[in-house]
Parts: sequence; structure tokens; C-alpha cells
Amino acid sequence: GAVVSQHPSRVICKSGTSVKIECRSLDFQATTMFWYRQFPKQSLMLMATSNEGSKATYEQGVEKDKFLINHASLTLSTLTVTSAHPEDSSFYICSARDRGRIKSPLHFGNGTRLTVT
Amino acid sequence: SQQGEEDPQALSIQEGENATMNCSYKTSINNLQWYRQNSGRGLVHLILIRSNEREKHSGRLRVTLDTSKKSSSLLITASRAADTASYFCATDAGTGNQFYFGTGTSLTVIP
Repeated sequence: GAVVSQHPSRVICKSGTSVKIECRSLDFQATTMFWYRQFPKQSLMLMATSNEGSKATYEQGVEKDKFLINHASLTLSTLTVTSAHPEDSSFYICSARDRGRIKSPLHFGNGTRLTVT
Repeated sequence: SQQGEEDPQALSIQEGENATMNCSYKTSINNLQWYRQNSGRGLVHLILIRSNEREKHSGRLRVTLDTSKKSSSLLITASRAADTASYFCATDAGTGNQFYFGTGTSLTVIP
């Protein structure tokens, strides 16, 4: 089955530093990947759509300069939380869809628990 | 918001009982999907139902879709303790590429 690998699974950083989260599709190519944020006991909020070879599309209210997205290849998208603050602490999840199967379900990474101290 | 709503927010049942979760959404859809999330993990796809379908089965799962009411339900029959998780519905945003998730139902199955 399609596998999405997300790394790291947990990260603790200090305020003001930047953190990079990687999302890789291991056995399929993805022209589009999605980044979600999830607060405890709440649903997933779509942050942005990462498009291979072009700029990401951000949802309303999401700061593009704060959450930098790069989708340099068909198997890798990265989310960088810049100048992190404690309120950025959250669970971040990426997902991807097989480019060869337009109507297939999303495949999710296992998420990254970010804690900013 | 394009996010759907689910009810109940939390559901606790005994092992062997059936669990029903409902999802309502706001916009027209191409399809609706149900996902499961174990605590602190990513989501696992359970079942997809297209807008022209009314009911779909997969093992112990049964999904219905009523596009006139913009609602869907997920039924888990003969529940097991291992079914304990959060369940989310997700609808596409019309472009067929983005998915928006409902608020989720936290299911606890008591052994």
C-alpha cells in the first residue's frame, strides 16, 4: 500500500528557532501534498496545499512567511516553521495522493508533535 | 468554514455493540471519505463513498450518504476494543484535490 513517511515524529525547540518537517511519499509520486495542523482533541485544519515545482497555496489565515512550504520533488514536501513560538506547538500532519490515481484517498504521515518552549 | 460537523463528539459503547457516527457538511461534494485516527498518529483511510452512491459496505463498516441533506453516517457493527479511536469524515472541496475534515467523533469501546 501507499506509504507516506513524516519526519521527525517529535521535536522540541526553543522560541525563535526554526523547525523543518519532512513529508515523503515512499512508493508513489505526488504532485500535490497537504499540510494539516491539529490541536488536542480537535479536527485537522488544512494549512496549505503543496504543489510540486510551484508555490504552495495557503488557506485563509495561515501566514505563508511563518510556515514555509517547499515541494522540490514528486516525493518530498517540507514544512518549515520559522521563528517558532509556544503557540505554534501543535500536531502537524502531511498527506499526499498518488498522482497516478486522481480519485484515490489521501495517504497520511504519522504526524509530527512540535513543542516550542 | 468548509469544515463539516460530526456528532456525537464522543461515544462510549460496550464491546459487541454497534456504533453510529454522523457527519454533516456544507457544500456540494464529489465524494466523502471516512478516516480513523489513533491517538497521536496519522489518519488511516477507511472507506470512500461517491456523490452518486447512497450506501457502501466494507467489512464491519457501513456508510450512507444523503446528498439532499448533506449528511453521511458511519456504522461500525459488532464493535471491538481495538476500534477505539477518533473517526473523521472528509469532503473534497469541489476541485477534487483538497479535503476538509469534520470535527470528529471520539469512540471508546469498552471491553
